[in-house]
Amino acid sequence: DTGVSQDPRHKITKRGQNVTFRCDPISEHNRLYWYRQTLGQGPEFLTYFQNEAQLEKSRLLSDRFSAERPKGSFSTLEIQRTEQGDSAMYLCASSHDGQAYEQYFGPGTRLTVT
Amino acid sequence: KNEVEQSPQNLTAQEGEFITINCSYSVGISALHWLQQHPGGGIVSLFMLSSGKKKHGRLIATINIQEKHSSLHITASHPRDSAVYICAVRRWNDKLIFGTGTRLQVFP
Repeated sequence: DTGVSQDPRHKITKRGQNVTFRCDPISEHNRLYWYRQTLGQGPEFLTYFQNEAQLEKSRLLSDRFSAERPKGSFSTLEIQRTEQGDSAMYLCASSHDGQAYEQYFGPGTRLTVT
Repeated sequence: KNEVEQSPQNLTAQEGEFITINCSYSVGISALHWLQQHPGGGIVSLFMLSSGKKKHGRLIATINIQEKHSSLHITASHPRDSAVYICAVRRWNDKLIFGTGTRLQVFP
């Protein structure tokens, strides 16, 4: 399967713990996006990378959140000191400049903070 | 007011019915996407369009740039079409802004 993959698919953690999610984009895609989706809502933009450079971060991304894409391939999203309000689906998408920026989405990581 | 509004929020149909989902937006865009999300969260891109009309199988998407409005039509609906359909607009800085989605249930 050569689509966008995310790991883990589900994560249950206790409040105050740190969690890290991974996204592997489609191999030739240079752009990578993170979104957050809460129940009953559409996804909201968190941040995006062009190659290894993080170009934009949403105000939703508090200082407890950090994202990296060290070699311009996979990306990680870390949440420190999780809060119950962080419970959501975290979606990753990737795109290629040469394909009119169409974004391909991964299956998401569902985070539950208890 | 949300920058992207969808209607209806929920839609129930009998198998075979013609379905229309509407999307209105209030910002300048470079393209509009229609996405499908099944239970479990995975999102599939159905269409990306910046003008006119596109058709893929039983799905048709139209956009009117002047009126800032798009519609997604499903002909001969089937229970497997049951999903959440999300409209998203792409801003000139490449950021996507999503609607809240339309939950469609098609009964046999």
